[in-house]
Amino acid sequence: GENVEQHPSTLSVQEGDSAVIKCTYSDSASNYFPWYKQELGKGPQLIIDIRSNVGEKKDQRIAVTLNKTAKHFSLHITETQPEDSAVYFCAAYNEKLTFGTGTRLTIIP
Amino acid sequence: NAGVMQNPRHLVRRRGQEARLRCSPMKGHSHVYWYRQLPEEGLKFMVYLQKENIIDESGMPKERFSAEFPKEGPSILRIQQVVRGDSAAYFCASSPGRGGYNEQFFGPGTRLTVL
Repeated sequence: GENVEQHPSTLSVQEGDSAVIKCTYSDSASNYFPWYKQELGKGPQLIIDIRSNVGEKKDQRIAVTLNKTAKHFSLHITETQPEDSAVYFCAAYNEKLTFGTGTRLTIIP
Repeated sequence: NAGVMQNPRHLVRRRGQEARLRCSPMKGHSHVYWYRQLPEEGLKFMVYLQKENIIDESGMPKERFSAEFPKEGPSILRIQQVVRGDSAAYFCASSPGRGGYNEQFFGPGTRLTVL
């Protein structure tokens, strides 16, 4: 089955700086890669996703890149703000979603 | 349009009791997924259901766990004879169709504590 690895597990950045979270996947048949943000006590919320036929996607301060050959994808958050503090999960889809173990992002004011 | 609803939000059971977790998908969604999240871990797929059918239960423990999504009413995740290791957050998600191009919308979760 699919295996998704996510790094780092914790990340602290100064407000205004950029944050990068990286994931690798094992199953070359995976074709959809969403990123979720989970705040304390809440369910995951989709923030951006990318499909296997696209290399990069951007939505305001958030961008995701996908390298199918290397089987890795990354989340980039620019101009970070305190409200970006949360746990972020990457996932890969092939018949079902397989999640990474999460990155706890802390934005330091 | 209300989002995915789950109840109860918190559930406390003693070892050996039964736990019933309910999930009402978003309006118009006929696909439901259940995930389990242990503290400080990612979500693990348990089961995928469509109305009246279990499509994929490859993530469900073989014993004590069952799920249904009847023609009318919410989806139910049932855990019989709970043990301490069942303590976790259980999330339900729904989507309008199958496949990776259909976003899964998550509910707020049910946090199960087994004493």
